[in-house]
Amino acid sequence: NAGVMQNPRHLVRRRGQEARLRCSPMKGHSHVYWYRQLPEEGLKFMVYLQKENIIDESGMPKERFSAEFPKEGPSILRIQQVVRGDSAAYFCASSPLQGQNEQYFGPGTRLTVT
Amino acid sequence: GENVEQHPSTLSVQEGDSAVIKCTYSDSASNYFPWYKQELGKRPQLIIDIRSNVGEKKDQRIAVTLNKTAKHFSLHITETQPEDSAVYFCAASKVDSNYQLIWGAGTKLIIKP
Repeated sequence: NAGVMQNPRHLVRRRGQEARLRCSPMKGHSHVYWYRQLPEEGLKFMVYLQKENIIDESGMPKERFSAEFPKEGPSILRIQQVVRGDSAAYFCASSPLQGQNEQYFGPGTRLTVT
Repeated sequence: GENVEQHPSTLSVQEGDSAVIKCTYSDSASNYFPWYKQELGKRPQLIIDIRSNVGEKKDQRIAVTLNKTAKHFSLHITETQPEDSAVYFCAASKVDSNYQLIWGAGTKLIIKP
């Protein structure tokens, strides 16, 4: 059973470009969470999704950021018109059907905005 | 809503000594408390968790204790080793929040040789 997959592992974008981060949850997991982590800082919750639904996006900036988890395919975190402050590690985690709490993390995508 | 506070932010202990990291939570309905370890440049990984129906859980050198009355839980690492150096995060969740985890800010544990 493959773990949580994220790609790309490293992404470099110039200011104003778009960044697309992908997350494939573990097999059988229908809950996906996205977190942002700045160097030397903790995990900041961004958004929680189930298949085709956004459950909680309270941690995600209202502008430029969006997330989806379609019926087929990976979850996508999209950042439009990136700025230097978007540079961070973005982790996704998945968990099994509701009723279980463990979150399994992917290796993260390190976004650098130049 | 739930709030989780974690102390200390940095902890330095001599190799072989014990380390204790404490977290407090605000919502008495929280019923699941995991601890994650994140090594430098790596992903967070679950190391131990506890549910509200037990007061203590052990796994080799790691233990977690839960005091529901005081609303705090602690991670205990005994006989610390260099590979224990990492950032440790506590979290809390409850049934009616879709099991979302509310995270502490993290503790950087440094094991001195």
